[in-house]
Amino acid sequence: RKEVEQDPGPFNVPEGATVAFNCTYSNSASQSFFWYRQDCRKEPKLLMSVYSSGNEDGRFTAQLNRASQYISLLIRDSKLSDSATYLCVVNQNDYKLSFGAGTTVTVRA
Amino acid sequence: ETGVTQTPRHLVMGMTNKKSLKCEQHLGHNAMYWYKQSAKKPLELMFVYNFKEQTENNSVPSRFSPECPNSSHLFLHLHTLQPEDSALYLCASSQDSLAGGASYNEQFFGPGTRLTVL
Repeated sequence: RKEVEQDPGPFNVPEGATVAFNCTYSNSASQSFFWYRQDCRKEPKLLMSVYSSGNEDGRFTAQLNRASQYISLLIRDSKLSDSATYLCVVNQNDYKLSFGAGTTVTVRA
Repeated sequence: ETGVTQTPRHLVMGMTNKKSLKCEQHLGHNAMYWYKQSAKKPLELMFVYNFKEQTENNSVPSRFSPECPNSSHLFLHLHTLQPEDSALYLCASSQDSLAGGASYNEQFFGPGTRLTVL
């Protein structure tokens, strides 16, 4: 089983729509969870950390379900600028992070 | 300069060449990482250094040789590479957290070196 698995998409949505997707992780001992964003031919950048109680940052909401070992990301009121690949990231130990292959989101006008 | 810088940004080399990739971080972090990103695949962790000491070697072939002379600089020495080693090589840095190691904190990535092996 892969350490982190994501639906690759692509999710093609109109501006203003809501889009949501999940990722699953295999290591039940993982303690830190993140969503990173990667634009085409650019480096990944942190979008948000994911906390046990769930957290929100503007139009972005992240949820963690430890029992089922999945993380979700929801984007409300999608903007054209939200088009990117979203990487689910989970720690394996104190220094190792595992990255999913990414979920591609394309927001159309 | 700020953030994480990498040089060169693009590199084309033959299988018999020897080259080095350089990474420098200006963030005062103690951990530095090399990742490989191939098309349509997840980022693969290659090496982790914490305070100049290697803490992870993710079963990387010996044709890749890392060097970390201090907490701000990281090198990846390349020799006798194969065409399948062509990829984007990303360097990152992060800081230890109160919870434990650096994997609890944000990683800052450099722009990457796009490597093509002919």
